[in-house]
Amino acid sequence: GNSVTQMEGPVTLSEEAFLTINCTYTATGYPSLFWYVQYPGEGLQLLLKATKADDKGSNKGFEATYRKETTSFHLEKGSVQVSDSAVYFCAPGMRFGAGTRLTVKP
Amino acid sequence: DAGITQSPRYKITETGRQVTLMCHQTWSHSYMFWYRQDLGHGLRLIYYSAAADITDKGEVPDGYVVSRSKTENFPLTLESATRSQTSVYFCASGGHSGNTIYFGEGSWLTVV
Repeated sequence: GNSVTQMEGPVTLSEEAFLTINCTYTATGYPSLFWYVQYPGEGLQLLLKATKADDKGSNKGFEATYRKETTSFHLEKGSVQVSDSAVYFCAPGMRFGAGTRLTVKP
Repeated sequence: DAGITQSPRYKITETGRQVTLMCHQTWSHSYMFWYRQDLGHGLRLIYYSAAADITDKGEVPDGYVVSRSKTENFPLTLESATRSQTSVYFCASGGHSGNTIYFGEGSWLTVV
């Protein structure tokens, strides 16, 4: 089945800093790729997705590009806000990474 | 629009007792999933179901039983709870393999 290796956290950044969370995966074929976000005390919700190679998913200022050649789907945001503090999960299908906790300080 | 609901939200039980976590979705999604979330382990798939009467093991199925007699329900049973099963359990559903997965709010289970 699919598996994913995700950058370990926690990650602590100052407001307006640049964010990268690395994600690489192994999979049979070319699955859709997802980033989910979990805010404190809540379930996970979709942040963005990409369904085929070279697609770029984007939402709320976050972006990730489906890189078939490197089997990666790194999450980026140019300027993080305090409200982005959450746990981020990379997922090639139904299997999830370990999650990366992001804390953004004012 | 209820979406996906889990019950109970919070449960404390004793070692050796049977516990069932309920999950109900209103979207008629084909796929349903159970995950557990533990510090240091992220989100791990316990069982999933592609349709009514079809279930498959995930990464950590031992000690758990599922059934899916109706499309909308996917209960998870711990037949004899152990302390290692203390966790947050998330039910989820999706329309098709590879589609977005929608999560419930979670069930916090403590086994003492």
